[in-house]
Amino acid sequence: SYELTQPPSVSVSPGQTVTITCSGDKLGGEYSSWYQRKPGQSPVLVIYQDNKRPSGIPERFSGSNSGSTVTLTISGTQAMDEGEYFCQAWDSGTVVFGGGTKLTVL
Amino acid sequence: EVQLVETGGNLVQPGGSLRLSCVTSAFNLGSYWMTWVRQAPGKGLEWVASINKDGSEKKYVDSVKGRFTISRDNAKRSVFLQMNSLRVEDTALYYCARDPDYLDAYDLWGQGTMVTVSS
Repeated sequence: SYELTQPPSVSVSPGQTVTITCSGDKLGGEYSSWYQRKPGQSPVLVIYQDNKRPSGIPERFSGSNSGSTVTLTISGTQAMDEGEYFCQAWDSGTVVFGGGTKLTVL
Repeated sequence: EVQLVETGGNLVQPGGSLRLSCVTSAFNLGSYWMTWVRQAPGKGLEWVASINKDGSEKKYVDSVKGRFTISRDNAKRSVFLQMNSLRVEDTALYYCARDPDYLDAYDLWGQGTMVTVSS
């Protein structure tokens, strides 16, 4: 089955830039999305169609797709950005999620 | 307020059944695909099933095919997941999510309902 691979965890200092990667063989051919989930809360869409931000998502969140890897970048990271981030892609009409990356803001 | 509220989660024995409901508010349910996503304890998100706007097309992850059935009643603003022949590995927090097909993503999620399969 198709899999998306994310690093289990990343850490960043407040105000710095952090990138979270998501790798998969078919990523170049389909749109990808990113979700943020904080403990005890539902997932929130932060990036869709590789690099678009939904209304209400801060400009510090951005996304890119370079073929087999998609990347979420958070610039000027804030303490409120701490949580778990999941990538999501489409595979022949079905959906695949990455395993999630826990972001710690130190 | 635009929201999704899931109910129906419970503790059930292996082989048992449950029916999850997702009640929607403040938007036209008939304009959206809808999806169930689950997260097992300590694991990542897993797509479970999706249904198109009028219920004529349904998709499932391989592990639930033949056991789970997704359905909807647009007039009652609700989406359902009938879960039969439950297994221990179905234990998870089940989310209902809205899928505007113009986004290729899920823009609204419920708070989830917990399903525990254990003897």
